[in-house]
Amino acid sequence: DAGVTQSPTHLIKTRGQQVTLRCSPKSGHDTVSWYQQALGQGPQFIFQYYEEEERQRGNFPDRFSGHQFPNYSSELNVNALLLGDSALYLCASRGPGPGTGELFFGEGSRLTVL
Amino acid sequence: AQSVTQLGSHVSVSEGALVLLRCNYSSSVPPYLFWYVQYPNQGLQLLLKYTTGATLVKGINGFEAEFKKSETSFHLTKPSAHMSDAAEYFCAVVIQGAQKLVFGQGTRLTINP
Repeated sequence: DAGVTQSPTHLIKTRGQQVTLRCSPKSGHDTVSWYQQALGQGPQFIFQYYEEEERQRGNFPDRFSGHQFPNYSSELNVNALLLGDSALYLCASRGPGPGTGELFFGEGSRLTVL
Repeated sequence: AQSVTQLGSHVSVSEGALVLLRCNYSSSVPPYLFWYVQYPNQGLQLLLKYTTGATLVKGINGFEAEFKKSETSFHLTKPSAHMSDAAEYFCAVVIQGAQKLVFGQGTRLTINP
């Protein structure tokens, strides 16, 4: 049973560029969340997608946008990259129903902005 | 709004010694509480969780945590540390029905031989 998979694992961009990160949720999961983890910090919630719609958003600017596809996979897009966007971006998924809030995390995409 | 405070950004113990990682939360309603572990260059792995019921919860790799409502704490313990326990540990809280986890800043655990 494949867990949460993310791609790419590492990437380097320059300021002002745009980046797209991809995530496939764990089999049977329909809800995808994205988190940003800056170096030495805990993960910060960016947004969550369910039924192809953004359901909740954290305190991130509009430069951060996302999408969820009919197969439940998701993309995170960041426009006009800033140095401060350098971080590990984690995708997490959970299954149907109210659940207990438990999330399953991928290994992340490490973004470096130069 | 809920928040999580992890006391001690870095904890160092000897192999075989007790591990104690502290976590306090702030929430106006009963929360769900989690401990995650992150090994270098990896994602987060769930160690254990408290939702309802028994306040002492057991997790993987010999870890356990106790939910103390009166102290708003959810400290993580392990009786005997192994070298393989060296990692970053995150405490997190979610309000029932909410959509996001709120994480603490993390505690880096180092095990000395």
